[in-house]
Amino acid sequence: DAGVTQSPTHLIKTRGQHVTLRCSPISGHKSVSWYQQVLGQGPQFIFQYYEKEERGRGNFPDRFSARQFPNYSSELNVNALLLGDSALYLCASSLSSPTSNEKLFFGSGTQLSVL
Amino acid sequence: AQSVSQHNHHVILSEAASLELGCNYSYGGTVNLFWYVQYPGQHLQLLLKYFSGDPLVKGIKGFEAEFIKSKFSFNLRKPSVHWSDAAEYFCAVSINNNDMRFGAGTRLTVKP
Repeated sequence: DAGVTQSPTHLIKTRGQHVTLRCSPISGHKSVSWYQQVLGQGPQFIFQYYEKEERGRGNFPDRFSARQFPNYSSELNVNALLLGDSALYLCASSLSSPTSNEKLFFGSGTQLSVL
Repeated sequence: AQSVSQHNHHVILSEAASLELGCNYSYGGTVNLFWYVQYPGQHLQLLLKYFSGDPLVKGIKGFEAEFIKSKFSFNLRKPSVHWSDAAEYFCAVSINNNDMRFGAGTRLTVKP
């Protein structure tokens, strides 16, 4: 069975550009979360989506947005990229609702470099 | 400020030594607690979790963690480490079941 898949694996952008990162959850999983992991730090929560609705949002600026599609895949969009947005972006899926205490299954991430 | 603190950034142990990685959190109210592990070249995966009940939690590969509510701690332990335990370990706290807050991580190096 396929795990959580993310694309692309690596991405290089310049300041001011826009980027879209994609995530496909494990088949049957309805909840998707996004995390940013800067080198040397733990993952920082960005968004959580369940059944196509935003269920949680971390302390990130409005330049960051996301959505979840009917097939439960998700996109993370970042506008007006800054050098500080360079990080590993992780997607995690879980089986059911955020209140169910299901464990997270992580993808391998998208490494974004902003020059 | 609310946070998850992992006391050691890098721990170096000899094989068969005992391991204890510290984790403290500063959130009030009901929390769910996790330890995730990231082996070299692999993605994050769950090691163990605590939601309720027995505060001593057993996880995979011989790991265990103890929730001490009065100390806001959830330390990870293993009696005898193996070279294959070399990895990055992250403590995490789930608040209101809406998001997961991670500590900065502890890198474990195991010497032969």
